[in-house]
Amino acid sequence: NAGVTQTPKFQVLKTGQSMTLQCAQDMNHEYMSWYRQDPGMGLRLIHYSVGAGITDQGEVPNGYNVSRSTTEDFPLRLLSAAPSQTSVYFCASSYSIRKSYNSPLHFGNGTRLTVT
Amino acid sequence: QQPVQSPQAVILREGEDAVINCSSSKALYSVHWYRQKHGEAPVFLMILLKGGEQKGHEKISASFNEKKQQSSLYLTASQLSYSGTYFCGSGNTPLVFGKGTRLSVIA
Repeated sequence: NAGVTQTPKFQVLKTGQSMTLQCAQDMNHEYMSWYRQDPGMGLRLIHYSVGAGITDQGEVPNGYNVSRSTTEDFPLRLLSAAPSQTSVYFCASSYSIRKSYNSPLHFGNGTRLTVT
Repeated sequence: QQPVQSPQAVILREGEDAVINCSSSKALYSVHWYRQKHGEAPVFLMILLKGGEQKGHEKISASFNEKKQQSSLYLTASQLSYSGTYFCGSGNTPLVFGKGTRLSVIA
């Protein structure tokens, strides 16, 4: 199994450009989520999904959109990139939302995004 | 509301012990612990459920006091490989993390 796959690994954008960070998992996990990691700020939740067709906002959702059309995929869209979105982005999934308190998160390897 | 971790950073010599604390203002169903090495993704260590249970992973153990909404991670006889940033997460939906504790083990 590949686990959680994120693409691309690195990306440089100019202010105002748009792009989509891809996330796919092959573990049939119900729960998927996106975090951003900045120095000294830990892992902050952007958006999450408890199943196909269901998404919700996390701690820092502004400037980002998500959709969950299939169980496997959970892309993160930046509509108009800003320098404040320079960060490392992690996608993570876990088995069951009903037992999320007892299901470990599996992380992808991350995408390092720079917005100039 | 992010869980609050302390200390923010700690430096240990090999063989020394350390404790990392995590507290939440919200009721917790459980607490998650993860470790992240530099340049890598966080890796799951353990989950603690209600009931004050303790768990162990190698020489790393943890406790959870749901009444106080606190958890502690205990690193015993630390090794160089323990270096990294440790995160606690609230075991609710969605899972949110503390800001992390940077642990450096030196020879």
